[in-house]
Amino acid sequence: DVKVTQSSRYLVKRTGEKVFLECVQDMDHENMFWYRQDPGLGLRLIYFSYDVKMKEKGDIPEGYSVSREKKERFSLILESASTNQTSMYLCASKGVMIADTQYFGPGTRLTVL
Amino acid sequence: AQSVTQPDIHITVSEGASLELRCNYSYGATPYLFWYVQSPGQGLQLLLKYFSGDTLVQGIKGFEAEFKRSQSSFNLRKPSVHWSDAAEYFCAVPFNNDMRFGAGTRLTVKP
Repeated sequence: DVKVTQSSRYLVKRTGEKVFLECVQDMDHENMFWYRQDPGLGLRLIYFSYDVKMKEKGDIPEGYSVSREKKERFSLILESASTNQTSMYLCASKGVMIADTQYFGPGTRLTVL
Repeated sequence: AQSVTQPDIHITVSEGASLELRCNYSYGATPYLFWYVQSPGQGLQLLLKYFSGDTLVQGIKGFEAEFKRSQSSFNLRKPSVHWSDAAEYFCAVPFNNDMRFGAGTRLTVKP
């Protein structure tokens, strides 16, 4: 059974803290993604990675960075968390073919106080 | 650019009633189209996808969708809704290496 796991389901942090969200996939997928999901706004792409050490900005990269040192692992970093980054964060992975399914992790609900 | 629109933000149906969730796409060529479901507090799960061939696609959990080129639509249907179908539903289309999602339709099921 395919699996995308995220390091935390719920996270509470304080403004200004550095936050790491980790995602691991076991499907040997080249592509990995980080989205945030907010009510009424749907899923918005933050960053994606198409190979180890490769990344591309999505629609809303400001305030975020990413790291992909190993194929199976893709980390999202909030350098200095702010209250407007309170959200649900979803990680996904996908193969290289356009018709490939995108598989999602269960999400991390981050609250920044 | 390729995109999808879900016109209905929220739909309420009674348990046992039929369901149709709308999705319209914007795409020059024959699109690849996906429907995902998100149960409360969970990630997204693929229901079904269309990329060629038969325009009526069967998915998991008793769902189906029909691709209609003339209407630029890919509506999701289920003949009889169960209480466990209450969730948010997303239509999506691939875009470069990414997937572009509609804003989602939240389904409430009345007993």
